[in-house]
Amino acid sequence: EDQVTQSPEALRLQEGESSSLNCSYTVSGLRGLFWYRQDPGKGPEFLFTLYSAGEEKEKERLKATLTKKESFLHITAPKPEDSATYLCAVQAGQAGTALIFGKGTTLSVSS
Amino acid sequence: DVKVTQSSRYLVKRTGEKVFLECVQDMDHENMFWYRQDPGLGLRLIYFSYDVKMKEKGDIPEGYSVSREKKERFSLILESASTNQTSMYLCASRQQGQPQHFGDGTRLSIL
Repeated sequence: EDQVTQSPEALRLQEGESSSLNCSYTVSGLRGLFWYRQDPGKGPEFLFTLYSAGEEKEKERLKATLTKKESFLHITAPKPEDSATYLCAVQAGQAGTALIFGKGTTLSVSS
Repeated sequence: DVKVTQSSRYLVKRTGEKVFLECVQDMDHENMFWYRQDPGLGLRLIYFSYDVKMKEKGDIPEGYSVSREKKERFSLILESASTNQTSMYLCASRQQGQPQHFGDGTRLSIL
């Protein structure tokens, strides 16, 4: 069964304290791995797509990496405005199928 | 920018009522999706649609139906609302091969 597991469930950081969020997956035929950010009361906002092991994507303080079993979202020198829930999702199998989401990591950054 | 609009941010209904949730996208996307999001369970797929008048069941279709008469609009229908359908409902759309883009959700309470 296709599965996505995110860890930790919650993470508290001080401003400037870098860390990483983990997304491990077991799927047959990965077609893409997606990272989203979700603020309270809002829908998920797309951040990155990764397609193959070794691929990396960056946006401001965020960097996403992918291996054959997991993905990491590295947050460098976070600021309070980076506080949000970060969701990982995979698309597997035939084209056009829906995403399988992890339960998310809730990040809190204090100043 | 992609815009996915859900007709209501908050909705309160009574058990047994027939409830309609509407979603409209403005980018001529082929694929549209309905998820529900519950604490501790993450996002779970209810139904999705490849194209007009086409639909596929997701992981939790029981108690729901959908309608897609026009490409830009995807409706979720709760045939006879029950209290266990109290949840946040999220609509998403995408062009084939591209990331999903989400609306801001409808928080539905069934009393």
